[in-house]
Amino acid sequence: QTVVTQEPSFSVSPGGTVTLTCGFTTGSVSSDNYPSWYQQTPGQAPRTLIHSTKIRSSGVPDRFFGSILGNKAALTITGAQADDESDYYCVLYLGSDIWVFGGGTKLTVL
Amino acid sequence: EVQLVESGGGLVKPGGSLRLSCGGSGFTFSSYSMNWVRQAPGKGLEWVSSISSSSYYISYADSVKGRFTISRDNAENSLFLQMNSLRAEDTAVYYCARVLGTYYMDVWGKGTTVTVSS
Repeated sequence: QTVVTQEPSFSVSPGGTVTLTCGFTTGSVSSDNYPSWYQQTPGQAPRTLIHSTKIRSSGVPDRFFGSILGNKAALTITGAQADDESDYYCVLYLGSDIWVFGGGTKLTVL
Repeated sequence: EVQLVESGGGLVKPGGSLRLSCGGSGFTFSSYSMNWVRQAPGKGLEWVSSISSSSYYISYADSVKGRFTISRDNAENSLFLQMNSLRAEDTAVYYCARVLGTYYMDVWGKGTTVTVSS
C-alpha cells in the first residue's frame, strides 16, 4: 500500500516563508506523479491551489509556489498571512486512475 | 458557474447500503472524469473512486473495493456512488470532484455526510 507523508503541523510567523513537503515513504516523487495541493479550512470543501507540480490554479496568489525538492513535492508559501492558516493536502497520481492523498499539514500562522 | 452538488447522505446501520449522487452544472459533464473523495471526522482526505468520462475506466481505493460501485449518467449530468456493506469506518463527508487531464481535481462539491452507526 502506497503511503504519502506530510508534516502533521507547521507554524509560520506573519510575513514569513514556510515550505510544506509531500513524499512517498519509499521512493521519490516526480513530475510524473502530477503533484497537486489543496487548501481546506474547517467545514469547507478543499480549494485547489497547485497542480502539475507548480501550476497555480486560477485566483491563487503567487505567494504560493509548487516545486520538487529532492525526492519530494513541495509547497512554499511566502509572505504568510493570517488567512493562510488552514489544512494543506497534497495528492499524488500513481497512474491507472489511482490517487493517494497525504495526511495533511495543519498550518498555523502566529 | 461550474458547480457540483452532492446528495444522498444520511444515517445508516452497519451492513446497510446508501447511494450518493452528484449533479454537475455549468460545464460539459460528459467530457470529464470524476472522482469521489471522502473525509472522516477529524481526519484527512482520502481518494475513494474514479470514473472516466465514458465510464470505460473505473478504479477504487483498496478500502472500498468490492463494496462500493461508481457510475455516471451523462445524459443527466450525474455521478453516483453505490455503497454496500457499510462499516463504521466509512463514516465521512463524501465529496465529488471534477478531474482535469493533468490528473488533478479542480472543482469540488460541498460534500454530503454519511454516518454509519447502529
